[in-house]
Amino acid sequence: DTVLTQSPALAVSPGERVSISCRASEGVNSYMHWYQQKPGQQPKLLIYKASNLASGVPARFSGSGSGTDFTLTIDPVEADDTATYFCQQSWNEWTFGGGTKLELK
Amino acid sequence: EVQLVESGGGLVQPGRSLKLSCLASGFTFSNYGMNWIRQAPGKGLEWVASISSSSSYIYYADTVKGRFTISRDNAKNTLYLQMTSLRSEDTALYYCARHSRILRIRGDWFAYWGQGTLVTVSS
Repeated sequence: DTVLTQSPALAVSPGERVSISCRASEGVNSYMHWYQQKPGQQPKLLIYKASNLASGVPARFSGSGSGTDFTLTIDPVEADDTATYFCQQSWNEWTFGGGTKLELK
Repeated sequence: EVQLVESGGGLVQPGRSLKLSCLASGFTFSNYGMNWIRQAPGKGLEWVASISSSSSYIYYADTVKGRFTISRDNAKNTLYLQMTSLRSEDTALYYCARHSRILRIRGDWFAYWGQGTLVTVSS
């Protein structure tokens, strides 16, 4: 199985830039996707295939990377971005990272 | 508007069976691959199973292989998950999710998610 590793948590101030990383145990080409999950809600697609913004997602969100290292960037961060962010690969079936909980200071 | 509504969850004893359903609307169900993804309380997401648009291709996570069966009825716009030999570690919120691209599942991602149905396995 392809294991995806994320930092458990981050804290940033509104208006700042934040980068959330995801490292794959083996190369996944560009088949990395990002989801946002707010408490009590289902996950929502943000970025697909590493760098493509999903429909309706604000341009403050962006993605980059290829191979084994990927990054989700939010710039600038807003209070409403408090959530857990999951990466997910679809190169080798489908697996998720453990999630990064983003808190605002 | 794409809608996915899961049902069938509940409290079940270890070793027993349960069948989940997901009713889809707002798109041509028979054109898209579908999935079950679960989330244990306070934990991360775990992909469970995928099925292609015509049921020709089916994939399972190792943790459920041999115990769970994914299926679909395109005439009823409904996805199913038959769960047998349930264990305490199967306790989770089970989401139904649609793939993004028509007729594709390999390499694809999860564009739409339902609200989930809770399965609790306990004696």
